[in-house]
Amino acid sequence: NAGVTQTPKFRVLKTGQSMTLLCAQDMNHEYMYWYRQDPGMGLRLIHYSVGEGTTAKGEVPDGYNVSRLKKQNFLLGLESAAPSQTSVYFCASSFPGEAEAFFGQGTRLTVV
Amino acid sequence: LAKTTQPISMDSYEGQEVNITCSHNNIATNDYITWYQQFPSQGPRFIIQGYKTKVTNEVASLFIPADRKSSTLSLPRVSLSDTAVYYCLVGSHNTDKLIFGTGTRLQVFP
Repeated sequence: NAGVTQTPKFRVLKTGQSMTLLCAQDMNHEYMYWYRQDPGMGLRLIHYSVGEGTTAKGEVPDGYNVSRLKKQNFLLGLESAAPSQTSVYFCASSFPGEAEAFFGQGTRLTVV
Repeated sequence: LAKTTQPISMDSYEGQEVNITCSHNNIATNDYITWYQQFPSQGPRFIIQGYKTKVTNEVASLFIPADRKSSTLSLPRVSLSDTAVYYCLVGSHNTDKLIFGTGTRLQVFP
């Protein structure tokens, strides 16, 4: 039982490059989330999904896109990376109405 | 979603009890209070949730007064491994968003 797995764990991008971060969960959770965490700061919600085929904007959605084609996967895309997107990205999943969300180990992204 | 306010940081020594208070003046009737813990370089993990009065588990206790406008996370006899950031979240079971504030950075000294 792997829980929430994020791929990759580390990545360095050049400004303007694109990439996709993958989040996979094996707990059959309906809800999935993507957050970013800048140094010394709290987590900020980028996008979230309440089920397969649905996505919604969070607090800081600009510059990111997401897709939830399969229930177990939630993809976060950066079409044209900017240095301001340098951050640690966390994915999480949960059941509706449940208190506990499960987080992945994070992806450290640096945009140079 | 109710706004929460927590102290930015707290210091303690090993063996002491630590109480972290969270203010949530606009909490709604259906809202619960949930606390998460985040160690450096890791994702947050759930600690405890409560609606009113007191909840206790193997990790912590959560005290909620009758007016529910604040809550206190209590960590008994902290150790160095309790050094982490603690987040207070408020929302109902129908909430589809998990919104984290800035959290409280707890530093435990030997």
